[in-house]
Amino acid sequence: AQSVTQLGSHVSVSEGALVLLRCNYSSSVPPYLFWYVQYPNQGLQLLLKYTTGATLVKGINGFEAEFKKSETSFHLTKPSAHMSDAAEYFCAVSDTPGMNTGFQKLVFGTGTRLLVSP
Amino acid sequence: DAGVIQSPRHEVTEMGQEVTLRCKLISGHNSLFWYRQTMMRGLELLIYFNNNVPIDDSGMPEDRFSAKMPNASFSTLKIQPSEPRDSAVYFCASSNGQGARADTQYFGPGTRLTVL
Repeated sequence: AQSVTQLGSHVSVSEGALVLLRCNYSSSVPPYLFWYVQYPNQGLQLLLKYTTGATLVKGINGFEAEFKKSETSFHLTKPSAHMSDAAEYFCAVSDTPGMNTGFQKLVFGTGTRLLVSP
Repeated sequence: DAGVIQSPRHEVTEMGQEVTLRCKLISGHNSLFWYRQTMMRGLELLIYFNNNVPIDDSGMPEDRFSAKMPNASFSTLKIQPSEPRDSAVYFCASSNGQGARADTQYFGPGTRLTVL
């Protein structure tokens, strides 16, 4: 089965600083990778996803992520943090298809809470 | 569109009671996912439906949990009897696809369940 590791359960940045959230994956097949954001008391919302093609993926709210196969990484970045970016961020990878169903569930990391200070 | 709708948003119950969580899919979506989120285990998929049919229920913890889709737009997750270890936030999500790798899942706001 595939897996995802998010380094750092909490990341603190100042407003205007670079945001870097780390994600490494393990996959026996070419991965499909996702970043989701969860604001307090809300469900998860897709930020961006990588399937095939261009390895630099741009998402909503100024976030982007780069797929690096050689490093098995899919780190999330934003050049300048805003207070409204404070949330929990989840990296996910599509699992291998189920033998009988062909269904490919999402495997989520444990999440990284981004704190933004004024 | 109103997005995925879940009810109730909060539920507090006593051990042994039956709990029913409800979910309304986004109009036109045909895939439905139930997740459980806890501090200890993170976000876990419980069950996946496609076109009202349960496709993968390997994440359902035990027989106390059951899920149904009585129609194309609505689902319930029932816990009977409930136990304190069931306390968690339960999310449902919907997508417009076949459970394919690239399908985007749209999450509801969740139901926070507390079992005393």
